[in-house]
Amino acid sequence: GESVGLHLPTLSVQEGDNSIINCAYSNSASDYFIWYKQESGKGPQFIIDIRSNMDKRQGQRVTVLLNKTVKHLSLQIAATQPGDSAVYFCAENIDTSYGKLTFGQGTILTVHP
Amino acid sequence: EPEVTQTPSHQVTQMGQEVILRCVPISNHLYFYWYRQILGQKVEFLVSFYNNEISEKSEIFDDQFSVERPDGSNFTLKIRSTKLEDSAMYFCASTRRTGAGEQYFGPGTRLTVT
Repeated sequence: GESVGLHLPTLSVQEGDNSIINCAYSNSASDYFIWYKQESGKGPQFIIDIRSNMDKRQGQRVTVLLNKTVKHLSLQIAATQPGDSAVYFCAENIDTSYGKLTFGQGTILTVHP
Repeated sequence: EPEVTQTPSHQVTQMGQEVILRCVPISNHLYFYWYRQILGQKVEFLVSFYNNEISEKSEIFDDQFSVERPDGSNFTLKIRSTKLEDSAMYFCASTRRTGAGEQYFGPGTRLTVT
């Protein structure tokens, strides 16, 4: 029979390029955001987070940008490596909740050597 | 580095059977969660648990689901009478702080209902 599922956005880059993964979040009341990386067969792995009182935060090789006006979040990966190949999810949370994370659709990143 | 562990890694069960998925959260964490991910889809929140009670649950978490922290280390998800549509990856997560706190996810249990 047919398989039904979401067709995730995909991004293919060459090793060494910079990658930008975008996410539109849904709830204007959300005030905490996380990017997770999920490799095949594994659980989501924390990459970087940002609170709503910031518009940019940098980590090691990664930068998250937050635009609350248009409810947009992006993850920039510098000098992308083959080990960065995975599905990337953004997740949002309202600080007054008990930590419930609402995940976005995900983007498949493929890095070619 | 401490990590969340889950057992079993794969569970196959027949429709109508009860299953218990087990998790050991990180030891000094106080907030615990179950999420599920149907193949090829996004991760969905099921339930959060704090101070030995459910603090929030989603529409998916109906009367067939229950959670328990039977001792100081384990956190379990029980599905009383499994349905085909319960087939998914189930992830446990924990954090020290609610809300703006990084949630650490376990490797997941793949549940297959036949």
